[in-house]
Amino acid sequence: SQTIHQWPATLVQPVGSPLSLECTVEGTSNPNLYWYRQAAGRGLQLLFYSVGIGQISSEVPQNLSASRPQDRQFILSSKKLLLSDSGFYLCAWSGSEGSITSPLHFGNGTRLTVT
Amino acid sequence: DAKTTQPPSMDCAEGRAANLPCNHSTISGNEYVYWYRQIHSQGPQYIIHGLKNNETNEMASLIITEDRKSSTLILPHATLRDTAVYYCIADTIYNQGGKLIFGQGTELSVKP
Repeated sequence: SQTIHQWPATLVQPVGSPLSLECTVEGTSNPNLYWYRQAAGRGLQLLFYSVGIGQISSEVPQNLSASRPQDRQFILSSKKLLLSDSGFYLCAWSGSEGSITSPLHFGNGTRLTVT
Repeated sequence: DAKTTQPPSMDCAEGRAANLPCNHSTISGNEYVYWYRQIHSQGPQYIIHGLKNNETNEMASLIITEDRKSSTLILPHATLRDTAVYYCIADTIYNQGGKLIFGQGTELSVKP
């Protein structure tokens, strides 16, 4: 069965420090991969998505970047964190068969606090 | 993506059916209705999706009106562990990056 791993679960970082959050998926190949952020309230904001190695689409301009060095690995990074980068970061994957996309499956998230 | 409207919160007694409504009056013919839920401090969990026929799985039932302008997610026997925020989303199933846009959802509180 497919599983998604996201780490760390919690992270406290000072303003101006770098960030690297990693997400890996097991049990599937060529998944679509996503990074979401959940700040105040309940809404989820799509940050990045990737349909293949080295293919990254950004949904909103921001202080963050994403990379997909391997088929089942998705990394969220920042060179210098801002206070506004605090939030709950969620990685997700979906499968695709031809033009059909399966539902999203989320990791358990990383709660980032920038101090 | 069609806009969806959900009540911000609902209460339900434990053991009773929880009926969560969703309006999607601008839904287009190739858009499915998806439901996810998010238990506090966890990632969202997929529940069910449908196009125009009613659907049922081990978690819930999805009732879609004939005109497809609204739907209801039914948890037949709600438990305390069903307390969560429930998201209704209308989107296509075709591979456009599969980008589902989550709104504010309905916060369901199941009470003993």
